[in-house]
Amino acid sequence: AQTVTQSQPEMSVQEAETVTLSCTYDTSESDYYLFWYKQPPSRQMILVIRQEAYKQQNATENRFSVNFQKAAKSFSLKISDSQLGDAAMYFCAYSGGQGNLIFGKGTKLSVKP
Amino acid sequence: GAVVSQHPSRVICKSGTSVKIECRSLDFQATTMFWYRQFPKKSLMLMATSNEGSKATYEQGVEKDKFLINHASLTLSTLTVTSAHPEDSSFYICSALDRDGDQPQHFGDGTRLSIL
Repeated sequence: AQTVTQSQPEMSVQEAETVTLSCTYDTSESDYYLFWYKQPPSRQMILVIRQEAYKQQNATENRFSVNFQKAAKSFSLKISDSQLGDAAMYFCAYSGGQGNLIFGKGTKLSVKP
Repeated sequence: GAVVSQHPSRVICKSGTSVKIECRSLDFQATTMFWYRQFPKKSLMLMATSNEGSKATYEQGVEKDKFLINHASLTLSTLTVTSAHPEDSSFYICSALDRDGDQPQHFGDGTRLSIL
């Protein structure tokens, strides 16, 4: 069975600084997707970034980028120039052949002004 | 972009009643929808996979008779919590894949269910 592990329950960053959230996963599948989702207090699930496993190039979306290490099964999220609005729960998620998402336990990110 | 509407957003009801939650894809056809449950300060856990025109596939430990899922059309899946009790209080959220099964899936805004 696939698993997703986020080892940082909470992280804090100063506004305008950079922070990296860690995620590791385990799978025997060769074709899969990895995602980072943001969940603010409203509990909406907001897609931050996604990575297809077959792509070697790391995905980027404006201030958000990932470090995808397929052999190490690692998928970290870097947030640059952190903003107050980035404060939220961040979930790392895996999707394989079944299509459903398997989530990590989440990291609560605080942004200090 | 693809929109999934989930209704109601908030439900408060007495113990013993049944509650129906709707998940509707507004601008695309969804052959597969997923139902997740999230306890406070916890992660999302898959409850079941709903496929249009067939029986839902439930995850281990999820009671089929307690959580009835119907996916009668390509745009609508419903989750009915039958004879709800306080321990069923939770945040329920659906997501949908389009007919091609392309990721990412699209989430509804969730339903906060409180059973008194």
